[in-house]
Amino acid sequence: SAVISQKPSRDICQRGTSLTIQCQVDSQVTMMFWYRQQPGQSLTLIATANQGSEATYESGFVIDKFPISRPNLTFSTLTVSNMSPEDSSIYLCSAPTGGIPDTQYFGPGTRLTVL
Amino acid sequence: ILNVEQSPQSLHVQEGDSTNFTCSFPSSNFYALHWYRWETAKSPEALFVMTLNGDEKKKGRISATLNTKEGYSYLYIKGSQPEDSATYLCAFPGDDKIIFGKGTRLHILP
Repeated sequence: SAVISQKPSRDICQRGTSLTIQCQVDSQVTMMFWYRQQPGQSLTLIATANQGSEATYESGFVIDKFPISRPNLTFSTLTVSNMSPEDSSIYLCSAPTGGIPDTQYFGPGTRLTVL
Repeated sequence: ILNVEQSPQSLHVQEGDSTNFTCSFPSSNFYALHWYRWETAKSPEALFVMTLNGDEKKKGRISATLNTKEGYSYLYIKGSQPEDSATYLCAFPGDDKIIFGKGTRLHILP
């Protein structure tokens, strides 16, 4: 099994600022995913982070707002840029288990509050 | 757009009681249905993956059933304990990504 850690675990930020969330996997994985869960909503996929190429963003999410880095097979960052209160969410990174198809290992999440 | 619905949204259960909740999903082009448990401040943890109509999976006091023809899955918890307090998510692999329900938030009352 893989262990995924995230930093920070929580943060309170001011409107207009940016926050970078780090995700570390204890083994090499080809794909990493970034999700967001807004209050009362489903876990929603933001983008897929691929090593060696640009991230693939889902409809409604753009690179300028959520730039992603994937410098190697164990690490990725998600930046939430020019934040507004609507960005207050839990942000999770995940990676496939490599076993049962589509089953994910998740990080513990970053709880972001934007004032 | 694929829709995965979970009900109820929130549930309070007395310790020792049994409970169940539902996930409904599109019945066409079924591939698999996943259940996760997400405790506060922890990582969501995979509970079950279900693939066959009529499938029943069990893990301790937790079990799940699957009806792919009508598009629903039930998660059952027998003899609820405080450690069962969590949000339970179901997830349905779509064509190009996994669709999650909003979850059922379970509170076990002492």
